[in-house]
Amino acid sequence: ETGVTQSPTHLIKTRGQQVTLRCSSQSGHNTVSWYQQALGQGPQFIFQYYREEENGRGNFPPRFSGLQFPNYSSELNVNALELDDSALYLCASSLGGTMNTEAFFGQGTRLTVV
Amino acid sequence: AQSVTQPDIHITVSEGASLELRCNYSYGATPYLFWYVQSPGQGLQLLLKYFSGDTLVQGIKGFEAEFKRSQSSFNLRKPSVHWSDAAEYFCAVGVYNQGGKLIFGQGTELSVKP
Repeated sequence: ETGVTQSPTHLIKTRGQQVTLRCSSQSGHNTVSWYQQALGQGPQFIFQYYREEENGRGNFPPRFSGLQFPNYSSELNVNALELDDSALYLCASSLGGTMNTEAFFGQGTRLTVV
Repeated sequence: AQSVTQPDIHITVSEGASLELRCNYSYGATPYLFWYVQSPGQGLQLLLKYFSGDTLVQGIKGFEAEFKRSQSSFNLRKPSVHWSDAAEYFCAVGVYNQGGKLIFGQGTELSVKP
């Protein structure tokens, strides 16, 4: 186990709705990254938060937004859900500010948009 | 642009046989390279990583990988595959001037036959 926990594990939403996914990072880690993994694909980087500020963003529209809290836990919010948003959403925590760091992943949240 | 290519979408090997999964990367500087494994419906587990130094790196579960700069490759190997190794394997490059994001390949699904 990595110590990174995500909730909920599964979620079904209707197109147009909004969703919030949560991630609790590993103890001592100050950086959280979010990835979207569509079926049969590799994970794609959404964005990263380092010490409560966004620190890099992938090619995702603004309706994907996030937060990081003082305890370094994080939320991913997706507005105006589309069918293509159906995917496994992975959160990874790491110790930022150093080059030799590795990311520890949670089990993911499976989002289905109908 | 940075990218990772895993040429083999699906590989089947017999239990006890050797394994090599291919990974090629495109990155302008010295890469930080990773191999992750994912069981169905699960998050990603780090098998091994290369940051610098010895180009042959050892990981967990008996896996190793060799970094070859001249070939832009980071192939994963195991001398004797076990049935429990059946999973999806992802190669990734770390981009540390962009918030430490990971760029993943599409993955190679490994099946093990008895």
